[in-house]
Amino acid sequence: EVQLLESGGGLVQPGGSLRLSCAASGFTFSSYAMSWVRQAPGKGPEWVSGISGGGGSTYYADSVKGRFTISRDNSKMTLYMQMKSLRVEDTAVYYCAKDPSEWFGESTEWFDPWGPGTLVTVSS
Amino acid sequence: DIQMTQSPSSLSASVGDRVTITCRASQSISTYLNWYQQQPGKAPKLLIYAASNLQSGVPSRFSGSGSGTDFTLSISSLQPEDFATYYCQQSHSTPRTFGQGTKVEIK
Repeated sequence: EVQLLESGGGLVQPGGSLRLSCAASGFTFSSYAMSWVRQAPGKGPEWVSGISGGGGSTYYADSVKGRFTISRDNSKMTLYMQMKSLRVEDTAVYYCAKDPSEWFGESTEWFDPWGPGTLVTVSS
Repeated sequence: DIQMTQSPSSLSASVGDRVTITCRASQSISTYLNWYQQQPGKAPKLLIYAASNLQSGVPSRFSGSGSGTDFTLSISSLQPEDFATYYCQQSHSTPRTFGQGTKVEIK
């Protein structure tokens, strides 16, 4: 069974940093692209970033470009998101999600499954 | 960015009703459209991919249709576990974008 479990969320002050992790199991991690998707309280999901299976290609939403860095360690079957210069508007539940193929950005792409999420709160 | 607009934003229905939710893209996205269901406090769950393909394990009362800019998600006979919020998402181009959601409530 494919399982994803996020960790690393918490309360951080504006301008601060945080690193999220997503531990994967039940599939050949390196063969699939992965994404981070966030959801602010009471809002719809927002795709944040994606990474290819090998880690060589990364993609970001404009709202986080230059502040967030996605990476993966295939030997540890773990996805990461390093977040810096955090803003109040970054407050959300952050989910990791599996792509159906190795390459992020293909038109035949969907997010399945998702992890349970980890809450990031940016507040003074 | 491609904007996804869902209607209605919420609806009230009874068990056994047929329900239809609409999603409109701001430009043509062929059939690169996915649907998700989200229960309160849970992660979204994939229901339909590529506009009309039922994800494994999803009940057959769910169906999707459409192409270009207009898409629909239908539930043929609403069950108690179907009361949730539904989101569409386009995969035609990056950034991937979601609709604002349709909340299905009990009448």
